[in-house]
Amino acid sequence: SQKIEQNSEALNIQEGKTATLTCNYTNYSPAYLQWYRQDPGRGPVFLLLIRENEKEKRKERLKVTFDTTLKQSLFHITASQPADSATYLCALYSSASKIIFGSGTRLSIRP
Amino acid sequence: DAGVTQSPTHLIKTRGQQVTLRCSPISGHKSVSWYQQVLGQGPQFIFQYYEKEERGRGNFPDRFSARQFPNYSSELNVNALLLGDSALYLCASSLALGQGAHSPLHFGNGTRLTVT
Repeated sequence: SQKIEQNSEALNIQEGKTATLTCNYTNYSPAYLQWYRQDPGRGPVFLLLIRENEKEKRKERLKVTFDTTLKQSLFHITASQPADSATYLCALYSSASKIIFGSGTRLSIRP
Repeated sequence: DAGVTQSPTHLIKTRGQQVTLRCSPISGHKSVSWYQQVLGQGPQFIFQYYEKEERGRGNFPDRFSARQFPNYSSELNVNALLLGDSALYLCASSLALGQGAHSPLHFGNGTRLTVT
């Protein structure tokens, strides 16, 4: 069956370090993958989109990689700050134009 | 510019009742989609509408229905509410079809539905 898995445990990182979040999928052939940030009680906010023919995408302190052989995307936040604390969601788009979200990884950055 | 707005923000209903949730997309966005988010899980796709036509449906029972109006706003209706329908219901708009495949989704802050 089709599955998307993100880090099941919450991630606790010290301020200034790089946070790395993982999104693994099985039985999909996604054309696109997106990462969203969600704060408690709020809707998700779009961060980055990466296409299947792209290996890496950057935006300021954020970097996303997409490995279609490993069926994995990594999301990095460099020089992490307490304000980066939130839940991060990956979302896959298959050729059927359906969007599937992972369950999210809660990230906490401690000062 | 105003973002995606949803109303009401919170709602308490009893089992068996019916509920209507409302969504106004960002100006110029013609695609609206609805998601259910249970605590601790990611959003789960319910419906997508584009140019007032249903363009996609997730694995939800027929108790769930939706429509899009000429001004691109949308309503989600849920009949015969069950306890398990308690969740955050999110609406998202985007410029194009494909649920953001070509443009990102812009979410509202949701309607928190509690069924007792």
